[in-house]
Amino acid sequence: NAGVTQTPKFQVLKTGQSMTLQCAQDMNHNSMYWYRQDPGMGLRLIYYSASEGTTDKGEVPNGYNVSRLNKREFSLRLESAAPSQTSVYFCASSDWITDGVLAKNIQYFGAGTRLSVL
Amino acid sequence: DAKTTQPTSMDCAEGRAANLPCNHSTISGNEYVYWYRQIHSQGPQYIIHGLKNNETNEMASLIITEDRKSSTLILPHATLRDTAVYYCIVRERQTSYDKVIFGPGTSLSVIP
Repeated sequence: NAGVTQTPKFQVLKTGQSMTLQCAQDMNHNSMYWYRQDPGMGLRLIYYSASEGTTDKGEVPNGYNVSRLNKREFSLRLESAAPSQTSVYFCASSDWITDGVLAKNIQYFGAGTRLSVL
Repeated sequence: DAKTTQPTSMDCAEGRAANLPCNHSTISGNEYVYWYRQIHSQGPQYIIHGLKNNETNEMASLIITEDRKSSTLILPHATLRDTAVYYCIVRERQTSYDKVIFGPGTSLSVIP
């Protein structure tokens, strides 16, 4: 059971280049998320998808686009990369489960993609 | 979204209990409190969550005040491997979306 898989693990881009970060989960979760984390900072939500076919902006969506290709896959695209987008990108998935009295929605994270834009 | 406030950093001696506070004074009745941690540059990992009662699992205990405006994560016997950034999150559930916001968290250093 792989959980959440992100590709690539590392990437170096030149300013203006485009690329797509891939994320896939095998837990049949409805919700998926993209975060970025700058050095010494917490995670900031870029986009999320509450269910297949829907996407919504998070805290810092500018410069990014997303596609919820199917229930398993949620990709993040940088159309014209800028040095300010140098960061570590994390994908996560989750779903609500009723476990007795206490419902839960645990996010599972991928290992991250380390992106440098020169 | 309800917001949380955590201290920027804390130290704890190895073997002692680490008590990490979180303030969520605007929490509403159907919102849960979740704790995650992030070790070095790995993806965050779930620790524990609660609604209004105190909770305990194999990793930690969660104490939520009666008015639910604050909570404390307790690592009963901190080890060096518990050095990490700890995030307190208030999780709301809407019918049309499920937005999750992480704050900057608390950087816990466990000292030998």
